[in-house]
Amino acid sequence: ETGVTQTPRHLVMGMTNKKSLKCEQHLGHNAMYWYKQSAKKPLELMFVYSLEERVENNSVPSRFSPECPNSSHLFLHLHTLQPEDSALYLCASSQAHRADYGYTFGSGTRLTVV
Amino acid sequence: AQKVTQAQTEISVVEKEDVTLDCVYETRDTTYYLFWYKQPPSGELVFLIRRNSFDEQNEISGRYSWNFQKSTSSFNFTITASQVVDSAVYFCALSERVTGQAGTALIFGKGTTLSVSS
Repeated sequence: ETGVTQTPRHLVMGMTNKKSLKCEQHLGHNAMYWYKQSAKKPLELMFVYSLEERVENNSVPSRFSPECPNSSHLFLHLHTLQPEDSALYLCASSQAHRADYGYTFGSGTRLTVV
Repeated sequence: AQKVTQAQTEISVVEKEDVTLDCVYETRDTTYYLFWYKQPPSGELVFLIRRNSFDEQNEISGRYSWNFQKSTSSFNFTITASQVVDSAVYFCALSERVTGQAGTALIFGKGTTLSVSS
């Protein structure tokens, strides 16, 4: 069983809806990440949180809003999305804000925007 | 410019064949780490190996082996005697310093989809 849990596994939402993706890790890591995986594209790093503070925002549209209430939980709040936002959203964590030891990934949320 | 290039988009082999997945990277850092991850249909990325830039020894783990060559900036992955369960998307990744930040982030290639048929 993965140490990083993402819910829901699948989500279908209309363009006017508001929904949230949840990520939880029980590994004692203090950095968490959101990645977007679209078809035929590399994984795109969206947000980085280190010690509950956002340290990176890779020009992500404001319709995506992250939240990290504590070092174990990470949310991605979604509103007024576009069909091109349909993708697999992956959460990951690491011991510190360093990729040197790799990340532990969750199974992802498959998002479909209709 | 793409930092991590996996030129093979899809590879199909028959069980028991050997297959090599190519990875070429680009970085200005002298200290860096390279990774391979496997993504089965279930979606999660599974860590396979980490290699630091100072260790060019090849590594073997069961049917998996990795060939790291700094001279050609390549970190290739070979599966010997492939099995149907090896079917997945395989990603090569590079850890790189983030501009303006103290930390590093994983930069992924586009992945290679491996299909192994029986």
